[in-house]
Amino acid sequence: NAGVTQTPKFQVLKTGQSMTLQCAQDMNHNSMYWYRQDPGMGLRLIYYSASEGTTDKGEVPNGYNVSRLNKREFSLRLESAAPSQTSVYFCASNGKQGIPWTEAFFGQGTRLTVV
Amino acid sequence: KQEVTQIPAALSVPEGENLVLNCSFTDSAIYNLQWFRQDPGKGLTSLLLIQSSQREQTSGRLNASLDKSSGRSTLYIAASQPGDSATYLCVTGANSKLTFGKGITLSVRP
Repeated sequence: NAGVTQTPKFQVLKTGQSMTLQCAQDMNHNSMYWYRQDPGMGLRLIYYSASEGTTDKGEVPNGYNVSRLNKREFSLRLESAAPSQTSVYFCASNGKQGIPWTEAFFGQGTRLTVV
Repeated sequence: KQEVTQIPAALSVPEGENLVLNCSFTDSAIYNLQWFRQDPGKGLTSLLLIQSSQREQTSGRLNASLDKSSGRSTLYIAASQPGDSATYLCVTGANSKLTFGKGITLSVRP
């Protein structure tokens, strides 16, 4: 049982480059989330998807786009990377049909450096 | 807007001590509260989940309680060990969002 899988684990980008972070869960969860974690700032919500076909902005959405490709997959895209987007990115999922607030599970994170 | 606070930000205790980590939240309309552990450079590991209808949950040396009316949760760690050193985060679930505290970094000295 893989849980939540994120790829890649590490990435270095040059300013202005684009990339997509991939996330997939195999727990049939309805909700999926993207967070970034920075020293002293804690975990901040970038975007979330409460169900397949819906996405909503979180606390820090600027510079990011998301796609809920299907129930399993939720991707995060940086169109033009900036040094301020250097961070560790976590994907999470929870919620099942009729039980919206099940235990949340997290991926192992993507460590992104923008130079 | 839900706000989750964990104080203090860091804690250092000698091995063997029983300790309590606190978490407070502003909006009591939550569905559940979850405690996570994060080791340096690693992901988040779920420790305990308390549903809103529950008062506490136990797993081994860990016990978490929830008091929605006062907006508080505590994580009790019995007989602490150096291997318990990590950052502990609490998160509330409500309105399709998970809201995190900034965590308490625990150091257990041998």
